[in-house]
Amino acid sequence: SQQGEEDPQALSIQEGENATMNCSYKTSINNLQWYRQNSGRGLVHLILIRSNEREKHSGRLRVTLDTSKKSSSLLITASRAADTASYFCATDASRRANNLFFGTGTRLTVIP
Amino acid sequence: EPEVTQTPSHQVTQMGQEVILRCVPISNHLYFYWYRQILGQKVEFLVSFYNNEISEKSEIFDDQFSVERPDGSNFTLKIRSTKLEDSAMYFCASSDYRDGYTFGSGTRLTVV
Repeated sequence: SQQGEEDPQALSIQEGENATMNCSYKTSINNLQWYRQNSGRGLVHLILIRSNEREKHSGRLRVTLDTSKKSSSLLITASRAADTASYFCATDASRRANNLFFGTGTRLTVIP
Repeated sequence: EPEVTQTPSHQVTQMGQEVILRCVPISNHLYFYWYRQILGQKVEFLVSFYNNEISEKSEIFDDQFSVERPDGSNFTLKIRSTKLEDSAMYFCASSDYRDGYTFGSGTRLTVV
């Protein structure tokens, strides 16, 4: 299985602190993506990092990818209460249709 | 910003009944997908669709499932004879293969 596995499973921080979530996977990938899901709602694409990239930024988000360790991290800086959600990594390792394999997610709670 | 639209948002059906879940992908995307998420579990790939045919499908996508693009805008998932274990959130997504997916907000299917 090439599924991503996130850790920690749950993370609780104070508003203003940084939150770091990690993802590990098992096979070679084309790219790795991070998604956010508010409780019972849809998936929101946050950022995509390709296998030949090592770091990517988008606003308060910073993603790193280490293909030698088959791991990625998502850093949210200066967290806000509105960042409270579940965060999933998803790996694309397919040859044709880039279907994704999702991890189990990290539940982030930001306390105001 | 372009959106993937799914209808209905919630469907309740009796076991053994057929259901059709509908999706309108982003108009210039060529790749379409269905995923599902059983409550409290991870998001699972069902099927990908390109050029009017299935590109890849998972083990979950058995003979009870089918997909169709009946016209230029809709993409449907049919479950022929629903089972209790089909109860889940079903997500449609589309992609232009270069960037991340865009997911719809999902259809919550409840089989009773």
